[in-house]
Amino acid sequence: AQKITQTQPGMFVQEKEAVTLDCTYDTSDQSYGLFWYKQPSSGEMIFLIYQGSYDEQNATEGRYSLNFQKARKSANLVISASQLGDSAMYFCAMREGRDFNKFYFGSGTKLNVKP
Amino acid sequence: DTEVTQTPKHLVMGMTNKKSLKCEQHMGHRAMYWYKQKAKKPPELMFVYSYEKLSINESVPSRFSPECPNSSLLNLHLHALQPEDSALYLCASQKQPSSYEQYFGPGTRLTVT
Repeated sequence: AQKITQTQPGMFVQEKEAVTLDCTYDTSDQSYGLFWYKQPSSGEMIFLIYQGSYDEQNATEGRYSLNFQKARKSANLVISASQLGDSAMYFCAMREGRDFNKFYFGSGTKLNVKP
Repeated sequence: DTEVTQTPKHLVMGMTNKKSLKCEQHMGHRAMYWYKQKAKKPPELMFVYSYEKLSINESVPSRFSPECPNSSLLNLHLHALQPEDSALYLCASQKQPSSYEQYFGPGTRLTVT
């Protein structure tokens, strides 16, 4: 079974609107972390936001918020007030427990922001 | 400062060449990673160094040889590569092996001809 599933290969959003990128995960560990990274065409993976499995409140970082629904095993990224510079590939990732190699990436969502 | 640097940005090499990729961080992080990323795919873990010791080798062919000379520096030595090894090679660092967050460098785009 896939550990991280991103079902939206591509998304379009109008500039200044909000957009939600979906991510579901699969783990039986109690301790895990969920991440979102942005990867522009230049290639660099930019860390956006982190949610720990024991965190009760949804993580927020500026225009980014993570909609964490533990029972549904979903960790959707919400970008408010989209900007043209938000056009990029977005990866959801999960780390289980404390093992190095248990760091899993989803297949990514390509977001295009239209002017 | 959450900066991980990688050199070179681009590399073109023949199948008989020997080259090296370099990754550096000065954040005092004690875990460093090499990932390989093909176009439109997620990164794949290759190697993990923890406190300068190789902790994970994800069954990577021996034509890739990692080295961690000190806590700030990570190298990836390349020899006799194949065209299918062409990819973006990403380095990442982590404050401690038990930390969650990874910081990535800008990557090296490798083309093997």
